[in-house]
Amino acid sequence: DAGVIQSPRHEVTEMGQEVTLRCKPISGHDYLFWYRQTMMRGLELLIYFNNNVPIDDSGMPEDRFSAKMPNASFSTLKIQPSEPRDSAVYFCASSLTPGQGMGGANVLTFGAGSRLTVL
Amino acid sequence: AQSVTQLDSQVPVFEEAPVELRCNYSSSVSVYLFWYVQYPNQGLQLLLKYLSGSTLVKGINGFEAEFNKSQTSFHLRKPSVHISDTAEYFCAVCRRGAQKLVFGQGTRLTINP
Repeated sequence: DAGVIQSPRHEVTEMGQEVTLRCKPISGHDYLFWYRQTMMRGLELLIYFNNNVPIDDSGMPEDRFSAKMPNASFSTLKIQPSEPRDSAVYFCASSLTPGQGMGGANVLTFGAGSRLTVL
Repeated sequence: AQSVTQLDSQVPVFEEAPVELRCNYSSSVSVYLFWYVQYPNQGLQLLLKYLSGSTLVKGINGFEAEFNKSQTSFHLRKPSVHISDTAEYFCAVCRRGAQKLVFGQGTRLTINP
């Protein structure tokens, strides 16, 4: 298995531009999570999906952020318009429903991350 | 809600020395506990997890952690570190039955030769 695949690995854009980050979860995983990592705030959960349905988006900073999961093998996180304070590393992670081989706990597998710089 | 405090933001140690990275959590309900490691420019990888049973949990790369319910701690230890252990280490907590992991701020482990 290739693991969780994220693209692009690096993105540099100017303030006001639209940014789309992409994620392909591990095949068969039914949970998908988007996290943001910054020096100031650490790792923050933005949103997560179960079976392609958004379950909790309480971590999404504001309306400029949106996430979709049109099918089990693809998710996007979009920022429009982007601002310098959105600069961060964005991680996607996936997992199986607890109980399916991981002892009842939700064990996340992370992608390598997308480093976003907004100038 | 659950929260995690990692008491040290940076821990420098010499190669082959023992190390302990401290983690305390706060929760009013039963939880699962995890340690993840992040090598430079990579995503997080699971080191070990505590679900139930024995309070001493062994993970990959010679790491282990001990769950202490009375002290609400889950400290990570390794008896002898190697240069390759240089990384950032994250403690995380998840309420039993829930899917959301809450991470600590991370501890940067630096190994000096």
